Amino acid sequence: AQKVTQAQTEISVVEKEDVTLDCVYETRDTTYYLFWYKQPPSGELVFLIRRNSFDEQNEISGRYSWNFQKSTSSFNFTITASQVVDSAVYFCALRESNFGNEKLTFGTGTRLTIIP
Amino acid sequence: AAGVIQSPRHLIKEKRETATLKCYPIPRHDTVYWYQQGPGQDPQFLISFYEKMQSDKGSIPDRFSAQQFSDYHSELNMSSLELGDSALYFCASSARGPDSGNTIYFGEGSWLTVV
Repeated sequence: AQKVTQAQTEISVVEKEDVTLDCVYETRDTTYYLFWYKQPPSGELVFLIRRNSFDEQNEISGRYSWNFQKSTSSFNFTITASQVVDSAVYFCALRESNFGNEKLTFGTGTRLTIIP
Repeated sequence: AAGVIQSPRHLIKEKRETATLKCYPIPRHDTVYWYQQGPGQDPQFLISFYEKMQSDKGSIPDRFSAQQFSDYHSELNMSSLELGDSALYFCASSARGPDSGNTIYFGEGSWLTVV
């Protein structure tokens, strides 16, 4: 069975600091997809990034970057120069590729607080 | 770009009442998912539909049912509501194929409060 672990329950950093959110996953599938979602206080789930299991290239999007390492089953998320608007709960999620089993399995989330 | 549309955004029901949530997926998305998120918890998968047929089932109570209609919108029906059903309910949709990215997009959620 698939499993996603976000060991950091809560993180607080001062504005402009860098912060890394950890995500470790388990799956028996050879093809799978990893995601990060942001849930601000208003409640919606905002898609941030998807990474396919066959593409280990790291990605940078503005202040956000993601480090995918299959060897350690990790998909970590770094925010550079954090801002107050980054305060939210961040979920890492895994989706397998088998037809009929394509639901997302979420980690328990990391609550990030950026202190002004 | 069009997103997943959910209605109503908020509803309050009494115990033992029935509630219906509606979801309109992103156009041309063929799969719809329902998730339930309790306070302080991660979203839990309830059920999904692919091309109007149930494709996967999670921890959905027997008191709940869902279906997807010919226009691809979906409804989640919840009966005999209990206090523990108070949660944020998400609908999500995705499209298959290499161009779609297999990304699951979520609606803004429907807040259900059972009193």
